Amino acid sequence: NAGVTQTPKFRVLKTGQSMTLLCAQDMNHEYMYWYRQDPGMGLRLIHYSVGEGTTAKGEVPDGYNVSRLKKQNFLLGLESAAPSQTSVYFCASSRRGALMNTEAFFGQGTRLTVV
Amino acid sequence: SQQGEEDPQALSIQEGENATMNCSYKTSINNLQWYRQNSGRGLVHLILIRSNEREKHSGRLRVTLDTSKKSSSLLITASRAADTASYFCATDVRTSGSRLTFGEGTQLTVNP
Repeated sequence: NAGVTQTPKFRVLKTGQSMTLLCAQDMNHEYMYWYRQDPGMGLRLIHYSVGEGTTAKGEVPDGYNVSRLKKQNFLLGLESAAPSQTSVYFCASSRRGALMNTEAFFGQGTRLTVV
Repeated sequence: SQQGEEDPQALSIQEGENATMNCSYKTSINNLQWYRQNSGRGLVHLILIRSNEREKHSGRLRVTLDTSKKSSSLLITASRAADTASYFCATDVRTSGSRLTFGEGTQLTVNP
């Protein structure tokens, strides 16, 4: 009963390097989300997906790209990491959209440091 | 900008006391949800209240919603040290489609 699994859990990048964060869910959820959490700023939505093959921008999409090639996976890419992207990243999924009164399930987070 | 704003930002109480956290939001909602986050962990859903509901209970949790004031409160009764965590409210925001928007959270510390 894994739920939402994020890999890796920790990563240190040098400025300008690229990386991909993987999110996998085994609940057959349609919706998936990527958030970043910074001290004093709560969670901010980066990108989200309402189904396989779809993606949409959230509040803070700049510097990130995403892909949802398979329903169970949602990838977050950083093409050229910057220190401002140092954060804790959370993936979440839900059976339907928030407007449909469904809860979101979160992964354990990825702590990313860009030096 | 954040849709939901929690108040207070931090709350420290003794075990056995009740803890009340408030959330205010700006635009019309379909539902409001409360989540809990233990230090270093992901968020866990606690309770969802729909816009046509005024109060909801789940165990030691009681949530109220006042859509006229655009506010909600989360009450934890008979708190325990294990309730120490950050608590976030989240709203769906009708104009944003499928997204949940989170506030900055209330850090609750329950002292044994």
